[in-house]
Amino acid sequence: DSGVTQTPKHLITATGQRVTLRCSPRSGDLSVYWYQQSLDQGLQFLIQYYNGEERAKGNILERFSAQQFPDLHSELNLSSLELGDSALYFCASSVVETSRPYEQYFGPGTRLTVT
Amino acid sequence: SQQGEEDPQALSIQEGENATMNCSYKTSINNLQWYRQNSGRGLVHLILIRSNEREKHSGRLRVTLDTSKKSSSLLITASRAADTASYFCATLSNQAGTALIFGKGTTLSVSS
Repeated sequence: DSGVTQTPKHLITATGQRVTLRCSPRSGDLSVYWYQQSLDQGLQFLIQYYNGEERAKGNILERFSAQQFPDLHSELNLSSLELGDSALYFCASSVVETSRPYEQYFGPGTRLTVT
Repeated sequence: SQQGEEDPQALSIQEGENATMNCSYKTSINNLQWYRQNSGRGLVHLILIRSNEREKHSGRLRVTLDTSKKSSSLLITASRAADTASYFCATLSNQAGTALIFGKGTTLSVSS
């Protein structure tokens, strides 16, 4: 158990819909990362938050957005869903960005199926 | 885009044999990490090797790093059926702070 929790575990929804994925980082971790894993694209970094502020963006579509709340949990919002958005979405957290190496701790993921 | 590329894509061995996976990357790195993913589950951090290290051990894992060749290898000794998983190398993104860039992974199957 990594200490990172994600809900829900599975989501099945229709094209055009909007969903929200939730992540709670490990206790004390200020950085939260979102990744998407699909068969064709592999593991792709989407976005990072650090202590409530957006820190970095990766291959995140404009239809997707995220935020990190004062209690440090994060939500990833996916809208106008397309079939190609079907994937595993992982949240990861890491310790404060200091001199420590940046190993990340991954949650169990949310499997999104868009029909 | 993938920073690390693992080789081979798939590897099948018997219990007790050693498994070696290789990873190549494109840009300079601060450190390289290896993660394991059991089917459809979250990734688990295995080991991190810094750019000034050449070799690191952790239990049955041995990681090497050759920064001149921009490559790393992960050796699992005396494999067990429970080692069946996908293994990914990851490096820090140059464009995205502390985000990780993953390779496509090596799928290891260990049969008893």
